[in-house]
Amino acid sequence: DAGVIQSPRHEVTEMGQEVTLRCKPISGHNSLFWYRQTMMRGLELLIYFNNNVPIDDSGMPEDRFSAKMPNASFSTLKIQPSEPRDSAVYFCASTYRDSYNEQFFGPGTRLTVL
Amino acid sequence: AQSVTQLDSQVPVFEEAPVELRCNYSSSVSVYLFWYVQYPNQGLQLLLKYLSGSTLVKGINGFEAEFNKSQTSFHLRKPSVHISDTAEYFCAVSRTGNQFYFGTGTSLTVIP
Repeated sequence: DAGVIQSPRHEVTEMGQEVTLRCKPISGHNSLFWYRQTMMRGLELLIYFNNNVPIDDSGMPEDRFSAKMPNASFSTLKIQPSEPRDSAVYFCASTYRDSYNEQFFGPGTRLTVL
Repeated sequence: AQSVTQLDSQVPVFEEAPVELRCNYSSSVSVYLFWYVQYPNQGLQLLLKYLSGSTLVKGINGFEAEFNKSQTSFHLRKPSVHISDTAEYFCAVSRTGNQFYFGTGTSLTVIP
């Protein structure tokens, strides 16, 4: 099993540019989570999906952030336009809902917005 | 809603000394409990978990945790730490079919 796959691993962009982060969950998992981690705010849940449907997006900072899950094996987190305060490490995690919900994390994408 | 409290944000400890990282949760129903570890510049990985049964749970790298239902605690312990244990440790709680809740993390620094 390849685990949760995230791409890119590092992204450096300029303020105002669109950024797209990608995640491939573990095969067979039906829940997917996007987290953001910063020194100031720690680990924050942005949004999660069950069976490709967004369940709770209350953690999404503002309208500049959007997430999609077009199928069970792929999700994207998009920031448009990006701002320097969006600089963080973004993690994707997946699990099989209706079990004990152990989450498996990807390696993260380190985003730097200049 | 459930919450997870990690009482210590930073824990410095000398090499080969014992350590305890504290975690308390708020829930009136049965929960599943987890400890994750995050090494510098890496993602989170599972250290150990309590689902049911024995209240003493053993994990990887010599760590163990004890579930105490009456005190709603799930403290993490290691009898003798190594330099390589320097990392961020997260306690988490979940219930079947529901959201995962993470604590704010404890930064463990092992001093040579």
